Amino acid sequence: AQKVTQAQTEISVVEKEDVTLDCVYETRDTTYYLFWYKQPPSGELVFLIRRNSFDEQNEISGRYSWNFQKSTSSFNFTITASQVVDSAVYFCALSEANAGGTSYGKLTFGQGTILTVHP
Amino acid sequence: AAGVIQSPRHLIKEKRETATLKCYPIPRHDTVYWYQQGPGQDPQFLISFYEKMQSDKGSIPDRFSAQQFSDYHSELNMSSLELGDSALYFCASGRGSTDTQYFGPGTRLTVL
Repeated sequence: AQKVTQAQTEISVVEKEDVTLDCVYETRDTTYYLFWYKQPPSGELVFLIRRNSFDEQNEISGRYSWNFQKSTSSFNFTITASQVVDSAVYFCALSEANAGGTSYGKLTFGQGTILTVHP
Repeated sequence: AAGVIQSPRHLIKEKRETATLKCYPIPRHDTVYWYQQGPGQDPQFLISFYEKMQSDKGSIPDRFSAQQFSDYHSELNMSSLELGDSALYFCASGRGSTDTQYFGPGTRLTVL
């Protein structure tokens, strides 16, 4: 069965510090998708990034960057020069095929990391 | 850009009552997913629909049922509500069964 582990329950940093959120996953499939979502205090889930299992290229988007390493089954997320508005719960998620191999939709989430950025 | 719409946003029910949550996907999205998020928990997958057919099922109680209609909106019906059903219920939509899921704002259900 698939599993996602976010070992860091809570992280607290001061504004402008860099912070890395760890994500380790388990899956038996060779085809799967990895995601990061942000859940601010208002409660909605905001999509940040999606990677498929065949694309190990790291990605940078503004202050956000992601490091995907299949060898260690990790998909870590780094925020550079953190800001107070980055304070939220961050979820890493994995989707793999259903039993019939007809759908890749079901997301398995990690426990989430609560990030607090202090001014 | 249009987002997923969920209604109602807040719902308060008594034990043993029924509740219906509605989800309107992003235009041209044909897949809908339902998740339940308890306090301090991660979202748990309940059920999904692709082109109006159930595509996958998670840990959805037998007291719950859902369907996707011809206009692609979906409804989650919950009967014999229990205190433990109090949670944030998210709907997400996507195009096809492998697309990114975009989440709605959620419906906060409180069972008293």
